[in-house]
Amino acid sequence: DTGVSQNPRHKITKRGQNVTFRCDPISEHNRLYWYRQTLGQGPEFLTYFQNEAQLEKSRLLSDRFSAERPKGSFSTLEIQRTEQGDSAMYLCASSLVQGAINEQFFGPGTRLTVL
Amino acid sequence: SQKIEQNSEALNIQEGKTATLTCNYTNYSPAYLQWYRQDPGRGPVFLLLIRENEKEKRKERLKVTFDTTLKQSLFHITASQPADSATYLCARGGSYIPTFGRGTSLIVHP
Repeated sequence: DTGVSQNPRHKITKRGQNVTFRCDPISEHNRLYWYRQTLGQGPEFLTYFQNEAQLEKSRLLSDRFSAERPKGSFSTLEIQRTEQGDSAMYLCASSLVQGAINEQFFGPGTRLTVL
Repeated sequence: SQKIEQNSEALNIQEGKTATLTCNYTNYSPAYLQWYRQDPGRGPVFLLLIRENEKEKRKERLKVTFDTTLKQSLFHITASQPADSATYLCARGGSYIPTFGRGTSLIVHP
């Protein structure tokens, strides 16, 4: 257990539905990342927050994806009008950036299946 | 773009042998490279970090090297055990956004 939690662990939804995932990072960590991972691939960056500010989003991220981190604590990732191609593991990671070092602590992930 | 390349083929070795995994990067050297372990259905777990100006880093049975000439990092597990079987991810750091390789699966046979 890294101290980062994600809920739900699994989500099955029908195409066209909206889904929301939650990530609770390690409390003193100032940075929070969202990644997507498909089978046989490494984590693919989606977006990240420094405290409550969303500083960067992947150019590959569709407008159907939105993330928030109110008050710089937990974060939510919402996918609207889900498509079958959204099926993947969604990973959250937090870090306490010190100098140039960014060691990330990952949560267990939320596995999304879009039918 | 900055890429991380890892061998997509699984590495099969016998228990007790040393496993060596390779990570190659493109373009300029990252400030550091990180290695993570990932078990099926779980998030990656940080193992080791090696800075650009370090040649080698060790932690228990793990050793990582960083060769800026070859643009390569090697990850070694000595005296491997079946419990070491997992996927090992390499990531380049130094910018705000770490870039991960696809990982290499290691299978240690008893």
